[in-house]
Amino acid sequence: DGGITQSPKYLFRKEGQNVTLSCEQNLNHDAMYWYRQDPGQGLRLIYYSQIVNDFQKGDIAEGYSVSREKKESFPLTVTSAQKNPTAFYLCASRAGRVNTEAFFGQGTRLTVV
Amino acid sequence: QKEVEQDPGPLSVPEGAIVSLNCTYSNSAFQYFMWYRQYSRKGPELLMYTYSSGNKEDGRFTAQVDKSSKYISLFIRDSQPSDSATYLCAMTYAGAGNNRKLIWGLGTSLAVNP
Repeated sequence: DGGITQSPKYLFRKEGQNVTLSCEQNLNHDAMYWYRQDPGQGLRLIYYSQIVNDFQKGDIAEGYSVSREKKESFPLTVTSAQKNPTAFYLCASRAGRVNTEAFFGQGTRLTVV
Repeated sequence: QKEVEQDPGPLSVPEGAIVSLNCTYSNSAFQYFMWYRQYSRKGPELLMYTYSSGNKEDGRFTAQVDKSSKYISLFIRDSQPSDSATYLCAMTYAGAGNNRKLIWGLGTSLAVNP
């Protein structure tokens, strides 16, 4: 079955540590996105990538980094510079056609301990 | 003013009721409109996708776009407890493919009571 796989489902991080969230898709989609979701704030765009080896900052990129070395994969690193990293992180992808809908993974819940 | 406004609720209805969920927007350039359903601690799933104005129906769900009023709606007929979730609207501009980011509402929390 085609889809988007995020792992792990739950992640705990100590203060000062970097952590990497995985996102893999087998939909052959060109564009991939990372969103952060906090209660009452909706979906906020962190980074997005429209093709391999290219990505752009979203609205809240500070403290995060990404890479897009393969079409299928778009990992997100939450660095120690992100002061409030506890949140629900969602990865999404869209096909390369004009204005297609986005499909989402099941999310990773990151908690700083 | 946010580009997309959506009442966060919560909205509570009895089973079998007709539910109306709405978003308003300020940018007349939006052409593509989407509704997503999100269960607690899950990723959003696409319910409806419409282009420009008009209605689209899929089973118990109807999406309506009124571009003159900059208003979109999602109607759920014969609502079920399994419809209890947060409903998110999203929209984007025409042209330039996926260079156009999706603009999201905050989501409306719906509870359908048996």
